[in-house]
Amino acid sequence: GENVEQHPSTLSVQEGDSAVIKCTYSDSASNYFPWYKQELGKGSQLIIDIRSNVGEKKDQRIAVTLNKTAKHFSLHITETQPEDSAVYFCAAGGVDSNYQLIWGAGTKLIIKP
Amino acid sequence: EAGVAQSPRYKIIEKRQSVAFWCNPISGHATLYWYQQILGQGPKLLIQFQNNGVVDDSQLPKDRFSAERLKGVDSTLKIQPAKLEDSAVYLCASSQMRLANNEQFFGPGTRLTVL
Repeated sequence: GENVEQHPSTLSVQEGDSAVIKCTYSDSASNYFPWYKQELGKGSQLIIDIRSNVGEKKDQRIAVTLNKTAKHFSLHITETQPEDSAVYFCAAGGVDSNYQLIWGAGTKLIIKP
Repeated sequence: EAGVAQSPRYKIIEKRQSVAFWCNPISGHATLYWYQQILGQGPKLLIQFQNNGVVDDSQLPKDRFSAERLKGVDSTLKIQPAKLEDSAVYLCASSQMRLANNEQFFGPGTRLTVL
C-alpha cells in the first residue's frame, strides 16, 4: 500500500524567509497530492493541491512541485508571515483508491518574528 | 456555508468505558470520513462512507469500534470498551467526491483521553 514520508517534523524560519517541506510517496499509482494546514482548534484546510499531469502549481505565496520519477513533492512558502505558523500535512491518493488519502506525519512550521 | 461540526470537543474517560462521537458533515456532501490522529502522526483513516453505505472500513478495529451513518447525513463513531492506546484526536471530514474536486473539509476534531 501507499506510504508517505514527510520532512522535517519541525521547521523554524525567520519571518520573511522561505519555507520548504518535502514529502515522498511509494505508490506510483497515486496521482493526487494535496497539502493541508492544521491550526490549533480549527479543522484542517486544503491550501494547495497538484495532480500528476503537472509539475508545478502556484497560488500567491504558496507553490507545490511534483517529481513523479523520484516520487516526491514539496511545498514552498515564500515571504513567510506569522499567520503561516501551523502544522502542515501532505497526502497522496488517486482515483484507484477512491481518492482515499494517505497522510504524512506533519511538519510544525514556526515563524520567528 | 457551515463547516463540519463535531461534538464533543474533548472527552476524558477511563479504560474499558464507552464513548461516542458525533459528526455533522457539510450539507450535500455524500462522502464522510472518520480519522484517528495520534499525537505526532498524520490522520489515519478508520472508515469512509458514501451516503449511508460503507466504502472502506478495513482499518477500523471492529472488535471495539463501530460507526454508522443513518440516513446518509450525520454520523456516530463509538468505542466500546476503550483502551489506553485509543487516546487521540478523532477527526471527521466530508467531501463531494467529484472527479474534479476531491477536497476534504475537516471538523475541529474530538480530543479523547483514556486514563
